[in-house]
Amino acid sequence: KQEVTQIPAALSVPEGENLVLNCSFTDSAIYNLQWFRQDPGKGLTSLLLIQSSQREQTSGRLNASLDKSSGRSTLYIAASQPGDSATYLCAPKGVNTGKLIFGQGTTLQVKP
Amino acid sequence: EAGVTQFPSHSVIEKGQTVTLRCDPISGHDNLYWYRRVMGKEIKFLLHFVKESKQDESGMPNNRFLAERTGGTYSTLKVQPAELEDSGVYFCASSRAWDSPLHFGNGTRLTVT
Repeated sequence: KQEVTQIPAALSVPEGENLVLNCSFTDSAIYNLQWFRQDPGKGLTSLLLIQSSQREQTSGRLNASLDKSSGRSTLYIAASQPGDSATYLCAPKGVNTGKLIFGQGTTLQVKP
Repeated sequence: EAGVTQFPSHSVIEKGQTVTLRCDPISGHDNLYWYRRVMGKEIKFLLHFVKESKQDESGMPNNRFLAERTGGTYSTLKVQPAELEDSGVYFCASSRAWDSPLHFGNGTRLTVT
């Protein structure tokens, strides 16, 4: 059974810092992994999707890496801004199912 | 392109009543998913439609929950009768293909009193 852990659970940083959010998963048999952000009272916004054959994906100031064999993914946010404040969720998709398995998320606060 | 739309955004009902949640996926997305988050827990999968067929309903908690997707367009999730532990946020998501990114709606916050 897939289990996803995100560390840290919460993070507070001053504006401008580069930061790394960590995601680990117990079953390496994944098809892809998706990173989302969730703003309070809102749905999930897709940030990046990495296929299992890929090592990383980049979108603007965001870079996500995937090490499937070790069950790890990281989301790197460069030059953080107050607008980046949200909860970040990672969700791997199993090889044989269409299910995304979510972690509890990392709640990020970027202070101006 | 319009996003995934969910109705209502909030619903407060009494234990034993019935509630129906609706999801309109992004046009052209054959895959439709229901997820929910109950208080303090992580988001969990409920079921997956491909067009009008249920591909996987292994996450449905019990037979009080019924999901339909007639005609392969919008979907409904009915809870009957509702129990206190059904309270939470119900999310709908859609994707164009099985391996495409999922796009989520804003969710329906259900409170059962």
